[in-house]
Amino acid sequence: DAMVIQNPRYQVTQFGKPVTLSCSQTLNHNVMYWYQQKSSQAPKLLFHYYDKDFNNEADTPDNFQSRRPNTSFCFLDIRSPGLGDAAMYLCATSRDWGRTTETQYFGPGTRLLVL
Amino acid sequence: AQKVTQAQTEISVVEKEDVTLDCVYETRDTTYYLFWYKQPPSGELVFLIRRNSFDEQNEISGRYSWNFQKSTSSFNFTITASQVVDSAVYFCALSEAVGGYQKVTFGIGTKLQVIP
Repeated sequence: DAMVIQNPRYQVTQFGKPVTLSCSQTLNHNVMYWYQQKSSQAPKLLFHYYDKDFNNEADTPDNFQSRRPNTSFCFLDIRSPGLGDAAMYLCATSRDWGRTTETQYFGPGTRLLVL
Repeated sequence: AQKVTQAQTEISVVEKEDVTLDCVYETRDTTYYLFWYKQPPSGELVFLIRRNSFDEQNEISGRYSWNFQKSTSSFNFTITASQVVDSAVYFCALSEAVGGYQKVTFGIGTKLQVIP
């Protein structure tokens, strides 16, 4: 089945130690998104890629970076995780961009714990 | 700026009861899309429905139904004969074009607990 896959499902890291979360998709969608969701809050968009074009949200901290080496994969890098970065990180994809008809499909998320 | 309000943060119902989850939105655009997603304890956001601003027809899918009323800017979701498997957090979301790309705003979510 076509889907959005995130690995690992749970990640524990130490304060200040760089961590990378991965997302892959078999939907062949052009757009990939990274959201941060803290406990009992709505998902918050960090950035997205349309193909190889990177688009950062204005309020996304510099500590968060992303890479998309090809259509199928997208990575979220947290350079120096702080305690406040503990959250669920959700990857999503949509077929196209700039069209409000496109539904976003989400992966299962990676829950990050910072010690 | 667009905004989605889900006033009910938590709801508990007994199995087989009907339950309605409220969603009220704000937008300046005439073209926009509304969504409902379900987030079970496993964490994945599961797409349930998409509705565009020009289609005010209500929709029914099995035990789920949606009532879109543009006049009140509401897009409410009803589960009929609720089941324990319906226990999850439900998010309403609004999508509109902002600066040439799709901007999705999620509500804070309503946690539904169905008690057996």
